Order: sequence, then structure tokens, then C-alpha cells
Amino acid sequence: GENVEQHPSTLSVQEGDSAVIKCTYSDSASNYFPWYKQELGKRPQLIIDIRSNVGEKKDQRIAVTLNKTAKHFSLHITETQPEDSAVYFCAASRNSGGGADGLTFGKGTHLIIQP
Amino acid sequence: DTEVTQTPKHLVMGMTNKKSLKCEQHMGHRAMYWYKQKAKKPPELMFVYSYEKLSINESVPSRFSPECPNSSLLNLHLHALQPEDSALYLCASSPKTTSGSYEQYFGPGTRLTVT
Repeated sequence: GENVEQHPSTLSVQEGDSAVIKCTYSDSASNYFPWYKQELGKRPQLIIDIRSNVGEKKDQRIAVTLNKTAKHFSLHITETQPEDSAVYFCAASRNSGGGADGLTFGKGTHLIIQP
Repeated sequence: DTEVTQTPKHLVMGMTNKKSLKCEQHMGHRAMYWYKQKAKKPPELMFVYSYEKLSINESVPSRFSPECPNSSLLNLHLHALQPEDSALYLCASSPKTTSGSYEQYFGPGTRLTVT
């Protein structure tokens, strides 16, 4: 089955600086890579995703890059703000027409934005 | 309606009880999922219903039993649980993948405590 590794487990950055979280996956058939933000006591919230036919995707201060050859993908957050503090999970899944596999998650990164 | 809803929000049950968790979505999604999340851990996939077809994570004990009465509803029946089953149980749904949409949206979860 799929195995997703995520680093670092904790990341502390100054407000306004950039944050980068990295993940690797093992199953070359995985074709969908979402990122979720989870605040304490709340549900995981999808913040950005990327498919295997795309190398990079950006949404305002958030961007994701994918290297299929190396089987790794990264989340980039620029101009960090206090409300960015949360646990971030990367995930991977293999999807085919007519059905959808579940997500395999990384262990999470606790992002702390220092004021 | 653009949300996944779950009931109850909290549940406390004894090891001999039988209870059910409920999940509902009205977004026309054809795939629904159950995940289990322990404290400070990532969600772990338990079951997938995709186009009314069930896929099981073989590591899930038989004391958990999913049911999909229709494409909008997903239940998780619980029987003879153990204290280590205490966790946040998350439901998620995903659009029809024939449209190329793989995003999974999570409900708020049911916080289960087994005494």
C-alpha cells in the first residue's frame, strides 16, 4: 500500500516569513495529492491540491509543487500570518474513473507562527 | 448545501453497547468514507463506499460495520468496542470521479469515548 512521509513534524517561523513542508510517497500509481489544515478540535480543511499531470499550483499565499520522478511534493506558504498556525497534513491517493480510493496521510506538521 | 454533517457530535458508550454514527451529504457526491483519528495522529482510512460499492481496510476490526442506505447517507455501526477505539470518527465525501474531481470534504466528526 501507499506510504507517505512528511517533514518536519514541527515548524516555527516568524510572522511574515515563508514556510515549507515536504512529503514523499511510495506508490507510483498515486495521482492526487491534497493538503489539509486542521485546527485544534476542528475537521481537516482542504486548502490546496495537485494532480499528477501538473507540476505546480498556486492559490494566493499557498502553493504546491510536485516532482513525480522523485515522488515528492511540497507545500509553500508565503507571508505567514498568525491564523496560519495549525497542523498541516499531506496526503496521497490513487483515483481511477468510476471510483475513488481513500487518502493516505502523512503524520502532520505543527506549524507555529511566532508574532 | 455544501457541507458534510455528522451526528452525534459526542458519544460515550460502554463496551457492551451497540450504537451507530451517521453521516449525510447533499452535494451529489458518489464516494463516501469513514476515517478514524486518534489524538495528535493523522486520519486513517477505515471504509470507502464508491458508487455503492464497499471497499474495506482489512485492518479494521469486525466490531465496526459500515452501511450505505443511499448515496447521501453513510452509517457506521459499533458493537462491543474496546477503550482503544476511543477517537474522532470523521466522515468525508467526494464528487463523481468521472468528472475528474477527487477532492474529499470532511464532516466535523463524532468524538467517541468507550468506557
